Amino acid sequence: NAGVTQTPKFRVLKTGQSMTLLCAQDMNHEYMYWYRQDPGMGLRLIHYSVGEGTTAKGEVPDGYNVSRLKKQNFLLGLESAAPSQTSVYFCASSRYGLTTDTQYFGPGTRLTVL
Amino acid sequence: AQSVAQPEDQVNVAEGNPLTVKCTYSVSGNPYLFWYVQYPNRGLQFLLKYITGDNLVKGSYGFEAEFNKSQTSFHLKKPSALVSDSALYFCAVRDAGRGSGYSTLTFGKGTMLLVSP
Repeated sequence: NAGVTQTPKFRVLKTGQSMTLLCAQDMNHEYMYWYRQDPGMGLRLIHYSVGEGTTAKGEVPDGYNVSRLKKQNFLLGLESAAPSQTSVYFCASSRYGLTTDTQYFGPGTRLTVL
Repeated sequence: AQSVAQPEDQVNVAEGNPLTVKCTYSVSGNPYLFWYVQYPNRGLQFLLKYITGDNLVKGSYGFEAEFNKSQTSFHLKKPSALVSDSALYFCAVRDAGRGSGYSTLTFGKGTMLLVSP
């Protein structure tokens, strides 16, 4: 049981390039989330998904797109990367979206945009 | 809007001494409160949560947290700190009073705990 995994672990992009971050979970969780972590700002929710085929905007969605074609996978895309998107990205999942549910996090992807 | 404040960027404590990491919150309804820990170059790990009931919540690795409704606080505590407890700690809150729709989890900025030998 690997839990939540993220690919890649590190990535360096040039401004304007595109990339996709992959998140996978093997816990059969319904809800999945993408956060970004910046120094002194905690974690901020980018997008989330309440189930296969659904996505919704979080607190800071601009410049990102997501897809949830399979229940176990949640993809985060950057169509045209900007230096402001330099951050550590975390994926998380929870069994349901109940307010009492615990979220389980992946190890993170460190992205640098030059 | 809900919010979380962690007033200390860093907490220093000697090994064997008790530790406290502070957290205060603001929600419109009843709060659901969480503590997570992040070790270097790792993802966040769940420590404990308060949903309802006893104000003292016990969690992983000997940590506990005390919910105080009148002070809107949820401080993380441990009776005897270990060097291996050194990490970044996040408090998070959800508003249990929301109606329909998804209630997001709001995180504090994090507090770095450094335990010296």
